[in-house]
Amino acid sequence: DTEVTQTPKHLVMGMTNKKSLKCEQHMGHRAMYWYKQKAKKPPELMFVYSYEKLSINESVPSRFSPECPNSSLLNLHLHALQPEDSALYLCASSQDMASQYNSPLHFGNGTRLTVT
Amino acid sequence: ILNVEQSPQSLHVQEGDSTNFTCSFPSSNFYALHWYRWETAKSPEALFVMTLNGDEKKKGRISATLNTKEGYSYLYIKGSQPEDSATYLCAFINAGNNRKLIWGLGTSLAVNP
Repeated sequence: DTEVTQTPKHLVMGMTNKKSLKCEQHMGHRAMYWYKQKAKKPPELMFVYSYEKLSINESVPSRFSPECPNSSLLNLHLHALQPEDSALYLCASSQDMASQYNSPLHFGNGTRLTVT
Repeated sequence: ILNVEQSPQSLHVQEGDSTNFTCSFPSSNFYALHWYRWETAKSPEALFVMTLNGDEKKKGRISATLNTKEGYSYLYIKGSQPEDSATYLCAFINAGNNRKLIWGLGTSLAVNP
């Protein structure tokens, strides 16, 4: 069982909908990440939160809005998405930002998002 | 541009076969290499973090070697089992201030019983 929990597992939304993806970890990790992964492509980093503050935004369009309400939770708010945003969205965590290079990331199972 | 390549893209073997695949990365500016195993509908699971040239790490029937001078890592699976079927991903981390994880596309392994 993964120690990083993501909900929902699957999500279908229209282009005018507003939805949120949720991620939770209770390992005391202070860095949390959102990755996007499309078929036959490597995972693509979107956002990094470090100690509940946004540390990295990899030029992600504003229709994706991350939020870190506390050290255990990470949300990704979705609004006015496009069909090309359909992908697997993975959450990950690490002890802190620096440790992601020396220690492996802990991933959730992902949310499979389909935008219609 | 830092490029990480994995080969082969996919592999089908029979149960009991031993197999190996490759992760190639830039030989300059190396910091670390991670190997992950990703089963369908599950989360990527870390296998190894490799940092030193000549490193060899082992976890059960899976082992990995690292050659930073020539820029490659091999992952070996001895006596493949159906439960080894998964995508095996490597991630290269560059040295320096602007450190990043750069992911390969993965090798998809199917082990037939």
